[in-house]
Amino acid sequence: QQQVKQSPQSLIVQKGGISIINCAYENTAFDYFPWYQQFPGKGPALLIAIRPDVSEKKEGRFTISFNKSAKQFSLHIMDSQPGDSATYFCAANNTPDFKGGSEKLVFGKGTKLTVNP
Amino acid sequence: DARVTQTPRHKVTEMGQEVTMRCQPILGHNTVFWYRQTMMQGLELLAYFRNRAPLDDSGMPKDRFSAEMPDATLATLKIQPSEPRDSAVYFCASGLVRQGLSNQPQHFGDGTRLSIL
Repeated sequence: QQQVKQSPQSLIVQKGGISIINCAYENTAFDYFPWYQQFPGKGPALLIAIRPDVSEKKEGRFTISFNKSAKQFSLHIMDSQPGDSATYFCAANNTPDFKGGSEKLVFGKGTKLTVNP
Repeated sequence: DARVTQTPRHKVTEMGQEVTMRCQPILGHNTVFWYRQTMMQGLELLAYFRNRAPLDDSGMPKDRFSAEMPDATLATLKIQPSEPRDSAVYFCASGLVRQGLSNQPQHFGDGTRLSIL
């Protein structure tokens, strides 16, 4: 129940295309859903995050879509660029407060995105 | 720009040797995480600390791994004795967790690439 399932494992997109990465979770207590971006030889870095009180969040070319009833969320990269080539991780946690929760993030297995010029 | 610093960046050693990896978290962050990244398992949480106290080390093989925070500016992860299956990239991340403060990102270092021969 603690897992976050991510797909696809790898994705190849042409420059200018739309990249879509999907994640699904089981734990309904999760209330914070970040996406991390990792370039080769570097650590992951926060890209964008969403809380379940909204169905979509957009930052530039990056959009998270969130479907609470389906327990799914996805990352859309519009006008994909070769510089977007990286591994993307979705994650989730239950925000710690006086009722419980944890700052531990549960990560998906990652999606390696290649954007061809 | 504040960064998490990990040393060494690369380590090659023979099976049975002790390995020590170090992490300097971002000043002011009160939570430190240790992750292991492999192709097969993705990002696995090994242990984490808040205010230097260990909160969870359930992801760590207890017989050979140990994690400590001697002070607020240094976290260490030791493997003794090391085995070939420990070969992976080990990441340290730091963050700020405080009640009433909304989810803050985990900031990752660039990792220690460990090879056990």
